[in-house]
Amino acid sequence: DAMVIQNPRYQVTQFGKPVTLSCSQTLNHNVMYWYQQKSSQAPKLLFHYYDKDFNNEADTPDNFQSRRPNTSFCFLDIRSPGLGDAAMYLCATSGGQTYEQYFGPGTRLTVT
Amino acid sequence: GEDVEQSLFLSVREGDSSVINCTYTDSSSTYLYWYKQEPGAGLQLLTYIFSNMDMKQDQRLTVLLNKKDKHLSLRIADTQTGDSAIYFCAEMSGGYNKLIFGAGTRLAVHP
Repeated sequence: DAMVIQNPRYQVTQFGKPVTLSCSQTLNHNVMYWYQQKSSQAPKLLFHYYDKDFNNEADTPDNFQSRRPNTSFCFLDIRSPGLGDAAMYLCATSGGQTYEQYFGPGTRLTVT
Repeated sequence: GEDVEQSLFLSVREGDSSVINCTYTDSSSTYLYWYKQEPGAGLQLLTYIFSNMDMKQDQRLTVLLNKKDKHLSLRIADTQTGDSAIYFCAEMSGGYNKLIFGAGTRLAVHP
């Protein structure tokens, strides 16, 4: 039944060590999103893909990259994680007629 | 600019109704949404309302939209302890692919 799947659910990485977070979807939606959410804050959009068309938010640091090899999968790469990058990372998809977004359970990233 | 505002905290007694309020700024928003987030989890879509509607009811949930005042509310009838969570209001903005979220309202339900 899972529609948006994120792996792993918890990730610990060292300061400066590259890390990749994964997202997959079974909804066949054409839009996929990555959000960063820090404690007690709203999710902050990092970027989204409309099919293969990549759209970066203006304030997303260069340290964050993304790949979407096919409709089902999307990856978030953090090239050199800093302590400030510790957060919950949420993947979402959209493709319905009412443009609602469906979220995965999130990956909590800890940077040591 | 685009902005969505919510009160940060609401405490209600079990069995009472909860009303969570939200204001938004983009008058061209086509859809507005309510999401629920439980601790350590992703966001769960609760309901949405199209901008040409004033009200939408879905079981215990009632959404009211006042376009003139750009005010959205979510009413939860017969609030239960399982309703304790953070509730986010969101507007569609800047095209059909982008949501602007409020900071979230933390709902605490006590006996």
